[in-house]
This record gives sequence, C-alpha cells and structure tokens, in this order.
Amino acid sequence: SAVISQKPSRDICQRGTSLTIQCQVDSQVTMMFWYRQQPGQSLTLIATANQGSEATYESGFVIDKFPISRPNLTFSTLTVSNMSPEDSSIYLCSVEHNTEAFFGQGTRLTVV
Amino acid sequence: SQQGEEDPQALSIQEGENATMNCSYKTSINNLQWYRQNSGRGLVHLILIRSNEREKHSGRLRVTLDTSKKSSSLLITASRAADTASYFCATDSFQKLVFGTGTRLLVSP
Repeated sequence: SAVISQKPSRDICQRGTSLTIQCQVDSQVTMMFWYRQQPGQSLTLIATANQGSEATYESGFVIDKFPISRPNLTFSTLTVSNMSPEDSSIYLCSVEHNTEAFFGQGTRLTVV
Repeated sequence: SQQGEEDPQALSIQEGENATMNCSYKTSINNLQWYRQNSGRGLVHLILIRSNEREKHSGRLRVTLDTSKKSSSLLITASRAADTASYFCATDSFQKLVFGTGTRLLVSP
C-alpha cells in the first residue's frame, strides 16, 4: 500500500492568485497523478507527473495553468495559477501500487 | 469522452437493505475497479475484478463483470449507515484510470 499526505486540505483564495498543493508519498513511485473533481462530478485526470521529465497533460489542461513539479520519487506539487471561480474544485493526487490507486485526502479549493 | 456511466446517480435505502450500482464503460479493459469516496475526500479502493473474471466477493461486496456488454455491477449487502458515500467505477486505459460518473448512496438508519 501507499500512504499519501496532501496539503493544504482546504483553502479559500482570491481570484487572480495562485495556490500550490503538495503531495508526499511514503514510498518511491515512478508516476504520480493529479486529478480535479468539480462539485458533484467525477474525477478528471489533469496530468501525470514523472520524476526527471516534464509532466504529461491531458486534453484541456495546460502547463501554464497547472504547472507541476516532481523533484524526487516521493514528492510532487501542483500549482493552480491565476485562479478564477471556475477553478473551485477538489484536487487530488494519486499513486498506483500493484494496479490499485491510492489517493491523498484532497484539497478543497474555493476561489472568491 | 472515455468516461464510464454509472447508474443510478443517487440511491437512497434503509439500513439492512441491499444496494446495487451499475457501471458501463466504452473501451476494452484489463480490469475494472470500484472506489468509495466519503464527503469529497480521497478515494478508497474497494475491489478489483479482472477482465477474465465474472464475479468477485469481498465481505459484503459482490462485483460482477460482463465484458460482452461492457458493464459491471457492485452489490452491497446488508447496508449500514456508514456505507453512505459516493461510489465510482474505474477502468484502466493506457496506464491511466478513467473514472465513472459515480453513484451517491445514502443509507438511512
């Protein structure tokens, strides 16, 4: 299994500002995944973060809006840049181990 | 979109009753998984069924898979108030998990 510590757990931010979300895993993993869950919706994959290379973004998500860092095999950050109210969502990081996905507790972001 | 569809979107039952949720997906799969999410927090893995399996049990959970119909069902027997949560199916596609739309289950005491 894998234990993931994600912070902050929630934040209220002003529009136009940026928020960086951190994700720490208790074991080394090759890939870390970042998801967005809009209110009442399912999870949508934002990007896959690989250590030592640029993140791979899904259709509809761009690096300028969601820059990702992956400095080592246990840590990653996702920044939500130039926020607008439409960015209000839960953001989740995830890793996979033996096919099973493990998730952080999520960051509930509200943009006002 | 490759996202799977789940039905019902919401389900409300009494404690002790069984809850059945259905998931349909669009692509060929290696496995299908079910996850649970409490109050918008992180998801917890419940059960995985491989494409060559038709049924799997884990405690009060029973999962079926019909690859010819590209569908799966999750049955929770003898439900408890603590089962109240959102339930998502997920299929693996090109090393990524694609989550279904989810079913919100409410179990009343």
